[in-house]
Amino acid sequence: DTAVSQTPKYLVTQMGNDKSIKCEQNLGHDTMYWYKQDSKKFLKIMFSYNNKELIINETVPNRFSPKSPDKAHLNLHINSLELGDSAVYFCASSPPWGGAGPREQYFGPGTRLTVT
Amino acid sequence: AQSVTQLDSQVPVFEEAPVELRCNYSSSVSVYLFWYVQYPNQGLQLLLKYLSGSTLVKGINGFEAEFNKSQTSFHLRKPSVHISDTAEYFCAVSASGGYNKLIFGAGTRLAVHP
Repeated sequence: DTAVSQTPKYLVTQMGNDKSIKCEQNLGHDTMYWYKQDSKKFLKIMFSYNNKELIINETVPNRFSPKSPDKAHLNLHINSLELGDSAVYFCASSPPWGGAGPREQYFGPGTRLTVT
Repeated sequence: AQSVTQLDSQVPVFEEAPVELRCNYSSSVSVYLFWYVQYPNQGLQLLLKYLSGSTLVKGINGFEAEFNKSQTSFHLRKPSVHISDTAEYFCAVSASGGYNKLIFGAGTRLAVHP
């Protein structure tokens, strides 16, 4: 009954490779997010999709490309991996807009990416 | 634009002692405020949130926070901590009318010692 799941949990790869991280939520939410947590634990939003439409696109290298095949899935593809991409990547989701106030974000367990 | 400052990177405390984790924010528009907790090797979990109304907000696990608009602060408190409260705590803001984008502080590591 996992709410927000990510695969893989750990990913070790070499510089220059291309890799993907998958995220799925079974909460019926319509908005999904990718966050990056660096080695100092600092969390920063990267992207957000609402109903498969990109709504937040922070200053992220274009080597990072999110893809949302449907409302329940948001994948992150990274081309030409660099040492600085090493981090923990968190997926999150939130329910449909209720008309007032923010929508709580539910986070996945994270994917620890190590680039060697 | 919004920003969040967590004044302490680490807070050591003995079990059953009270604790306060400090958070200040900056924003030119109205914001919503949140505290999240991250246990080791896990994702983030919402502790509590301030949307409007009463400035004292109660959350899970006995935590509470007080919104102070004049001081632009949202400090987190617990009267008596437990070993299991050892974790990383993040303060975050979200602008009202925005795309639900969370801006996080740098985090405070709470270490509870026996």
